[in-house]
Amino acid sequence: KAGVTQTPRYLIKTRGQQVTLSCSPISGHRSVSWYQQTPGQGLQFLFEYFSETQRNKGNFPGRFSGRQFSNSRSEMNVSTLELGDSALYLCASSSQGDEQYFGPGTRLTVT
Amino acid sequence: GQSLEQPSEVTAVEGAIVQINCTYQTSGFYGLSWYQQHDGGAPTFLSYNALDGLEETGRFSSFLSRSDSYGYLLLQELQMKDSASYFCAVDMGSNYQLIWGAGTKLIIKP
Repeated sequence: KAGVTQTPRYLIKTRGQQVTLSCSPISGHRSVSWYQQTPGQGLQFLFEYFSETQRNKGNFPGRFSGRQFSNSRSEMNVSTLELGDSALYLCASSSQGDEQYFGPGTRLTVT
Repeated sequence: GQSLEQPSEVTAVEGAIVQINCTYQTSGFYGLSWYQQHDGGAPTFLSYNALDGLEETGRFSSFLSRSDSYGYLLLQELQMKDSASYFCAVDMGSNYQLIWGAGTKLIIKP
């Protein structure tokens, strides 16, 4: 089976712009979670989707949003980018919600 | 609130044994997971403890004690390739998220 894929892998944006990141889960996995990781920090939970429904959302401002499509692919969007949004954004898929399989991440730099 | 605490860094010698602890202040979780992340890479799953006790997978073992709010990852016969960050995470089950520790950077010296 192909693993979790994320596009793009690297992105440079300027403050005030918006960005959309994409995640394709492992075939058959219906749960997709998104995380933000900054240097020296753990993974901060953004949101989780299952069958196109957001089941949980972390403690992030409304500028962070996401969605899931009928084929389980997911996107997250960040509007009005701030310098502090520079981070590695990781997507993970799972079938039963316990073991998560991570994609390689999208490294976003905001200048 | 819910939180997990891990040491920020641990140093060990190649061939030795090292234990990475994870203490938590949360309740009602389904299980404790451990993930490994190499620099520049994505986290990869190592182990999951749903029940108290020891789970062994090759050179890696993981332990959970709910009564002590404590778990650990034990790595034996350390190899240079084990140099990575290790994260513990609790599975909150019904609200569909993992709560993560800040990670422990394992440095292995020859």
